[in-house]
Amino acid sequence: DTAVSQTPKYLVTQMGNDKSIKCEQNLGHDTMYWYKQDSKKFLKIMFSYNNKELIINETVPNRFSPKSPDKAHLNLHINSLELGDSAVYFCASSLDLTGPYGYTFGSGTRLTVV
Amino acid sequence: GENVEQHPSTLSVQEGDSAVIKCTYSDSASNYFPWYKQELGKRPQLIIDIRSNVGEKKDQRIAVTLNKTAKHFSLHITETQPEDSAVYFCAWDAGNMLTFGGGTRLMVKP
Repeated sequence: DTAVSQTPKYLVTQMGNDKSIKCEQNLGHDTMYWYKQDSKKFLKIMFSYNNKELIINETVPNRFSPKSPDKAHLNLHINSLELGDSAVYFCASSLDLTGPYGYTFGSGTRLTVV
Repeated sequence: GENVEQHPSTLSVQEGDSAVIKCTYSDSASNYFPWYKQELGKRPQLIIDIRSNVGEKKDQRIAVTLNKTAKHFSLHITETQPEDSAVYFCAWDAGNMLTFGGGTRLMVKP
């Protein structure tokens, strides 16, 4: 069983489209995150949710909207995609906010906007 | 968030040699310092971590040292093997999230 699973693994789409990436964890963790990894490999926090509640919302364009229907799921919807959105998006989870604890990452979604 | 400086950005060693990667952070409130390994096309995976109440932790060929006074921590890999080739990230806790260093690409030549 994959602990943190993301779908899709690859996503190629045209500028202006709207797309979603889904993430699910079966670890029973309370906290989930979205990170963006650019072409230089830098990992940058986008959002954090704890038990369905938004905790961190870094300086991310409002075209990006996270949704957490329950604590095991954190999805990312992106409107009006731009070329600069091309990157690998990683979902991650950690036990809760009291640790801190290490993250378990999903396998990533490589988004290419053409 | 606060920055974590990570050096070097690339490191090439011969198989069997040691590799050392160093990170410097700025927030003295941080108490947790993990290291992640990311192989090409794969997810980052936690390989070792240290909390601020200890100065060193070792797991087989991997060790991490922490100097809270100087605000830096280091990853040491001994007897490197080709399968150690990857990008390594340091991180530290900063207000309910981990902030990552810029990564070090380690290449181990057979």
